[in-house]
Amino acid sequence: SQQGEEDPQALSIQEGENATMNCSYKTSINNLQWYRQNSGRGLVHLILIRSNEREKHSGRLRVTLDTSKKSSSLLITASRAADTASYFCATGVTGGGNKLTFGTGTQLKVEL
Amino acid sequence: EAQVTQNPRYLITVTGKKLTVTCSQNMNHEYMSWYRQDPGLGLRQIYYSMNVEVTDKGDVPEGYKVSRKEKRNFPLILESPSPNQTSLYFCASSWGLAGGRRFYEQYFGPGTRLTVT
Repeated sequence: SQQGEEDPQALSIQEGENATMNCSYKTSINNLQWYRQNSGRGLVHLILIRSNEREKHSGRLRVTLDTSKKSSSLLITASRAADTASYFCATGVTGGGNKLTFGTGTQLKVEL
Repeated sequence: EAQVTQNPRYLITVTGKKLTVTCSQNMNHEYMSWYRQDPGLGLRQIYYSMNVEVTDKGDVPEGYKVSRKEKRNFPLILESPSPNQTSLYFCASSWGLAGGRRFYEQYFGPGTRLTVT
């Protein structure tokens, strides 16, 4: 069953602009992760945020987590054409071990 | 180079012809998992393995089998493929509980695009 749902489903922006993607989930989690997938390729891990964290940064990426609203956002600042990809959130739950449940993804297109 | 490899990358087969998709990782990870990706459905877990000889069903296990005889390998077996198993398949691995943490990022293979006619 799907745990996370990303919003929007698709996003098109100009190079240099910021891109914000949102993820909502249904049950309590112990961690949330964001992954990137270039067309038809394997997923690449971007960032992991624990349930007791509210914000995390990695280079041009900023992730926030609001457990009261069961939502997370991924912000990519100063986007580049190379950021064009699909972005997925994935959640882990207590007692679930390493299991991650993925959302349906946001397709980001960054135009020159 | 740390990586997860899958073979074959592309496969077209006919209904009922048994096939195996191999997955291998060189990071000594305990945890391995298979996912399928379908348009509009995201990634769904098929089977996973916490360690050698320990496997369990994911969310969509019907029609699939797995084995974990060695730590590095985790093959996915379709005994009698059907057209509804046409999909993009990903193998992934990560550290397990032996690493001391409760959760880890996963490393994905490049994917296997399977078409069953």
